[in-house]
Amino acid sequence: TQLLEQSPQFLSIQEGENLTVYCNSSSVFSSLQWYRQEPGEGPVLLVTVVTGGEVKKLKRLTFQFGDARKDSSLHITAAQPGDTGLYLCAGDSSDYKLSFGAGTTVTVRA
Amino acid sequence: IAGITQAPTSQILAAGRRMTLRCTQDMRHNAMYWYRQDLGLGLRLIHYSNTAGTTGKGEVPDGYSVSRANTDDFPLTLASAVPSQTSVYFCASSDSPSGSASDTQYFGPGTRLTVL
Repeated sequence: TQLLEQSPQFLSIQEGENLTVYCNSSSVFSSLQWYRQEPGEGPVLLVTVVTGGEVKKLKRLTFQFGDARKDSSLHITAAQPGDTGLYLCAGDSSDYKLSFGAGTTVTVRA
Repeated sequence: IAGITQAPTSQILAAGRRMTLRCTQDMRHNAMYWYRQDLGLGLRLIHYSNTAGTTGKGEVPDGYSVSRANTDDFPLTLASAVPSQTSVYFCASSDSPSGSASDTQYFGPGTRLTVL
């Protein structure tokens, strides 16, 4: 059973459109991270959110941590082909350090 | 700056053979981790090391062993490979040994392993 559930599993959009990826859990996390992974490479950290209700912006990417610290979302405005990749959320697991969601594969078509 | 290097890049292995995946970091990080990544399951922690000389079990440790003789190297060994160990393996490191989501983990490029 996945501690963190990500949705949707796959997302394909046209360049210029907006998209939102969700990361949900029944567990409370002290902090949560978002990573992006490109084909043939390891994941790279995008952001860490630590406070319930926190919103962080990274250029066209907006990350939000739910008030109850059980969920998070990643919103991309005016997506570009360079945003294509696998987006992973990760949160604290009491037993196993960092626990990852299965990821959302985003494809932005030119 | 090399960061984390992994070897080999890919490998096809007969079932029952022994295999060691190598991982080296040049950032002098205390903590190192081994994950496997499978479609639909995301990254799952196999073993970790908070500091040189110590190791711990992750979520899926069975069939794998690790050692941490020094700060830089963290090899992962499959004593007798089985087809279910076919996966992409990632090594990671972080400066803090807590391994929590407040720490940044830096990942290597991965090793694609196929066990036939």
